Amino acid sequence: DVKVTQSSRYLVKRTGEKVFLECVQDMDHENMFWYRQDPGLGLRLIYFSYDVKMKEKGDIPEGYSVSREKKERFSLILESASTNQTSMYLCASSSWAGGSGGNTIYFGEGSWLTVV
Amino acid sequence: QQQVKQSPQSLIVQKGGISIINCAYENTAFDYFPWYQQFPGKGPALLIAIRPDVSEKKEGRFTISFNKSAKQFSLHIMDSQPGDSATYFCAASNSWSSGDKLTFGTGTRLAVRP
Repeated sequence: DVKVTQSSRYLVKRTGEKVFLECVQDMDHENMFWYRQDPGLGLRLIYFSYDVKMKEKGDIPEGYSVSREKKERFSLILESASTNQTSMYLCASSSWAGGSGGNTIYFGEGSWLTVV
Repeated sequence: QQQVKQSPQSLIVQKGGISIINCAYENTAFDYFPWYQQFPGKGPALLIAIRPDVSEKKEGRFTISFNKSAKQFSLHIMDSQPGDSATYFCAASNSWSSGDKLTFGTGTRLAVRP
């Protein structure tokens, strides 16, 4: 069974804190993604990675960074958390499948982050 | 800049009725159009997807209708059930240039009344 696990479901952090959101997938997928979900805005892509140690900016990368040291693990880092980063964060993964897209993306259950 | 516009924002349907959610896109290079279903407390999961070489795709009670000239696609849920109550997201991508990088709509919260 496909599994994308986000280790922290609910976090409360203070403004200015460094925050780590961890994600692990067990499907040997090459592609991993971090999305942010906000009411009325849908899902917006923060960063993605097509390979270990590789990362590319998505649509809203400001204030975030990522790390992918191992194929199965993709971390989202908030260097200095701010209240406007209060949101639900979704990690996802998909297989490479020869380089073309149109592959099923599997999402984790999300991490609710509140910055106070 | 919203590249995929989704409507309505919320929808209430009686059990047994038809639920219809619409999406419109701007980028003519998009060639893959999936719909994702999300239940409360869960991540989105792929429901059904279509490519622009067909105008319709049906899987059980769920149908995608696609109009390439109008740059619109819609999800129809026939015989809607209370268990279909969820948030639905349309999405699009240019699969050859951007791989699995999806652009999502803003979501539709569907409530099916018993």
